[in-house]
Amino acid sequence: QKEVEQDPGPLSVPEGAIVSLNCTYSNSAFQYFMWYRQYSRKGPELLMYTYSSGNKEDGRFTAQVDKSSKYISLFIRDSQPSDSATYLCAMSNTGNQFYFGTGTSLTVIP
Amino acid sequence: EAGVTQSPTHLIKTRGQQATLRCSPISGHTSVYWYQQALGLGLQFLLWYDEGEERNRGNFPPRFSGRQFPNYSSELNVNALELEDSALYLCASSSLIGLSEAFFGQGTRLTVV
Repeated sequence: QKEVEQDPGPLSVPEGAIVSLNCTYSNSAFQYFMWYRQYSRKGPELLMYTYSSGNKEDGRFTAQVDKSSKYISLFIRDSQPSDSATYLCAMSNTGNQFYFGTGTSLTVIP
Repeated sequence: EAGVTQSPTHLIKTRGQQATLRCSPISGHTSVYWYQQALGLGLQFLLWYDEGEERNRGNFPPRFSGRQFPNYSSELNVNALELEDSALYLCASSSLIGLSEAFFGQGTRLTVV
């Protein structure tokens, strides 16, 4: 079983839709949770960073962590064509070794 | 503040040659991570350096090696290049152990022909 599972998509939504991206994990010791956005042929860009359980909001982005279910989510409100990218989840138990999902490809159609 | 910088941006090598990729972490970051991202695949962990020492390596052959310098910059060396080594190589850095997320550079696109 992989440490982190992420549906690769592709996911296609109309502009303005709410997007939900999810990852599940197997290691209950994970405490640090991150979401990265990666545009084609570019390095991943850190979007959200949360520690332990709960929600975190930043503009149109909300990250949720449910440690009891070993499930994390990223919600994008009022999605824009510029949000079209691959979204990677990542997690860590110590903050210095990171486990990545394979990424979900998102396309927002104008 | 400058982010993680990688050089070169693109690198073309022939099979059997050696490639050297460089990474400068964010100022104050002591940990450097190397990942391989082949086309259509996720990030595959290669190496982790902290305070000049190799802390962990992923499931890659020994021809993938590297080092970290006293200024915390790092090199990734790939010997005896094979066609399947063609990928985007990403470097990330993070701060104090247990306290920070990782920030990525823009990557080096290695093409082996």
